[in-house]
Amino acid sequence: NAGVTQTPKFQVLKTGQSMTLQCAQDMNHEYMSWYRQDPGMGLRLIHYSVGAGITDQGEVPNGYNVSRSTTEDFPLRLLSAAPSQTSVYFCASSTGQAIGGGKLFFGSGTQLSVL
Amino acid sequence: GQQVMQIPQYQHVQEGEDFTTYCNSSTTLSNIQWYKQRPGGHPVFLIQLVKSGEVKKQKRLTFQFGEAKKNSSLHITATQTTDVGTYFCGNNAGNMLTFGGGTRLMVKP
Repeated sequence: NAGVTQTPKFQVLKTGQSMTLQCAQDMNHEYMSWYRQDPGMGLRLIHYSVGAGITDQGEVPNGYNVSRSTTEDFPLRLLSAAPSQTSVYFCASSTGQAIGGGKLFFGSGTQLSVL
Repeated sequence: GQQVMQIPQYQHVQEGEDFTTYCNSSTTLSNIQWYKQRPGGHPVFLIQLVKSGEVKKQKRLTFQFGEAKKNSSLHITATQTTDVGTYFCGNNAGNMLTFGGGTRLMVKP
C-alpha cells in the first residue's frame, strides 16, 4: 500500500512550457485535491475532486487544469508555466466523497521551479 | 472556504519549554483539523475537533476548540527536538479544506 504517490519530485521549467504533475492513490479514496505551498503562505487549495469525472476549483485555480478520469489518478496540468508558479505542490486524498470528517493523506510533494 | 489566521508565524523555544499555536476565525467554524509538517516533509494529520469546547490530548499535545467555535489552539508541553516542524490548522467548509499560514516551531537542544 503506497498511499499517495506524486511524480516527479523535482522539476525545472522555462516560462511558457507545459507539464503535468502526476498524482495517484491506491486507497480507493473518492476525494482528491491539489495544494501549493509557498513560504509564509501556508497551503493553498488549487483544485479538488469528489469522484471520477467531477472536479472543482479551490482558492487559487488560475493557470492550472485538472481532470479525474479514474478514482486513482488526479493529474495537475500547467499549460503555460509562469515564474509565479514556482512552488511546492502537494496532492492529497481523503476517505469518503466529501472531505467532511475525513483526514487528508498527503503525497511527498513536487518541487517546481519556473525560470 | 472560511479564512483561518494562525499565530505566531514562528516560535523559537528551548527544549523543555512549552509551546502554543493559535488558530482564529472571524466566523464560526464547522470543525478544525491540525497537521504537522516536518522540515522537508509533507503534512501529516494530527487530529480533528468538531464540538464546541472540545479538548483532546495526544501524549504531550493538547488540542482545544473554543466555545464559540471561532478559535482553536495546540499546546505542546515540554517540547522535544522531535517536535520541530510547522503546525497547520485547517477548516473544512463543504468539500474544501483551507489552511492557516502555519506556525513554524524551532527547538533549541
